[in-house]
Amino acid sequence: AQTVTQSQPEMSVQEAETVTLSCTYDTSESDYYLFWYKQPPSRQMILVIRQEAYKQQNATENRFSVNFQKAAKSFSLKISDSQLGDAAMYFCAYDRDDKIIFGKGTRLHILP
Amino acid sequence: DAGVTQSPTHLIKTRGQHVTLRCSPISGHKSVSWYQQVLGQGPQFIFQYYEKEERGRGNFPDRFSARQFPNYSSELNVNALLLGDSALYLCASSTGLRGSEAFFGQGTRLTVV
Repeated sequence: AQTVTQSQPEMSVQEAETVTLSCTYDTSESDYYLFWYKQPPSRQMILVIRQEAYKQQNATENRFSVNFQKAAKSFSLKISDSQLGDAAMYFCAYDRDDKIIFGKGTRLHILP
Repeated sequence: DAGVTQSPTHLIKTRGQHVTLRCSPISGHKSVSWYQQVLGQGPQFIFQYYEKEERGRGNFPDRFSARQFPNYSSELNVNALLLGDSALYLCASSTGLRGSEAFFGQGTRLTVV
């Protein structure tokens, strides 16, 4: 069975600094998708970034980028120039057949 | 454009009762999935429906059931509620194409007392 592990329950970063959230996953499949979702206090889950496993190039969306290491089954999220609005729960997730498996999340605090 | 809408936003039920949660997907989306998010945890997959047929089911008891209607809206039903069913229930819609983005609603907060 596929699993997603986020080993950092909470992290803090100074505003304008860079922070990296860690994620590892386990699967025997070779073709799948990985995501980072953000869940602010409003509860709505918002997609931050998506990575297709067959693409070697790391995905980037503005201030957000990933370090995808397929062999190591690692998928970390880097947030550059952190902003107060980035404060939220961040979930790493795996999807192969439209069934998304989420990690337990990392709560990110932004310090002004 | 309206996003994924869920109703109700909050409700309180008593143990043993039955509950129905509703979800309207984004226009054009044919796939609806349901997730249960217990406080402090990540969401857990319950069901996925595509074109009115069940495409996937998570590790939940038979007390949980769902269906999708011809307009692609969906209902999640939970019978014989237990205290442990208290959670945020999230609905997500997508086109159903492989790897397509899932858009989430704001969820229904269910409290069982």
